[in-house]
Amino acid sequence: NAGVMQNPRHLVRRRGQEARLRCSPMKGHSHVYWYRQLPEEGLKFMVYLQKENIIDESGMPKERFSAEFPKEGPSILRIQQVVRGDSAAYFCASSRDRGSYNEQFFGPGTRLTVL
Amino acid sequence: DQQVKQNSPSLSVQEGRISILNCDYTNSMFDYFLWYKKYPAEGPTFLISISSIKDKNEDGRFTVFLNKSAKHLSLHIVPSQPGDSAVYFCAASERGGSEKLVFGKGTKLTVNP
Repeated sequence: NAGVMQNPRHLVRRRGQEARLRCSPMKGHSHVYWYRQLPEEGLKFMVYLQKENIIDESGMPKERFSAEFPKEGPSILRIQQVVRGDSAAYFCASSRDRGSYNEQFFGPGTRLTVL
Repeated sequence: DQQVKQNSPSLSVQEGRISILNCDYTNSMFDYFLWYKKYPAEGPTFLISISSIKDKNEDGRFTVFLNKSAKHLSLHIVPSQPGDSAVYFCAASERGGSEKLVFGKGTKLTVNP
């Protein structure tokens, strides 16, 4: 009964490189959410996806960030040309349905460090 | 513009006593509230939730109270145990919206043996 899986758990990139973060939702879940946590802060919503669709990307920075959730395979959060300010913990969550009162279950996170 | 506020960054209680964690919100459209517990280097773990049609929800040692008129909710843990030591996040969502959760900054609870 695997939970939400994220990999890698730790990722180190130099400024200007690309970072790819992967998330596999819980079995039976078709809704994926990405959140970012800066040091000493709460989690901030970035994007909400269903299979092959972006439902809400209101929390995504306008440039360099993109997300996808293909029909097959994990959801990917992609950060191009990383900068030091992108250093954070990125958490993925999944839920079963859309609608009222659905708990989101979180993965262990990917800790991105930009040198 | 913080829509969910946890004004106490930390709380320390004795084992066996009650822990009360507080959360305030400003968005009157929020109608579903959740508490998550987080250990260092792990993802948040769902604890308990409450919808706006209720004012109390209980699950074992954990009880959440909601005061809609005051836009305030609290999490009570009784009795507190050392294993409860973690950061607790309050979160809220708006039904009919995108289901995104809006989080507070968290309260670090320490339960002393």
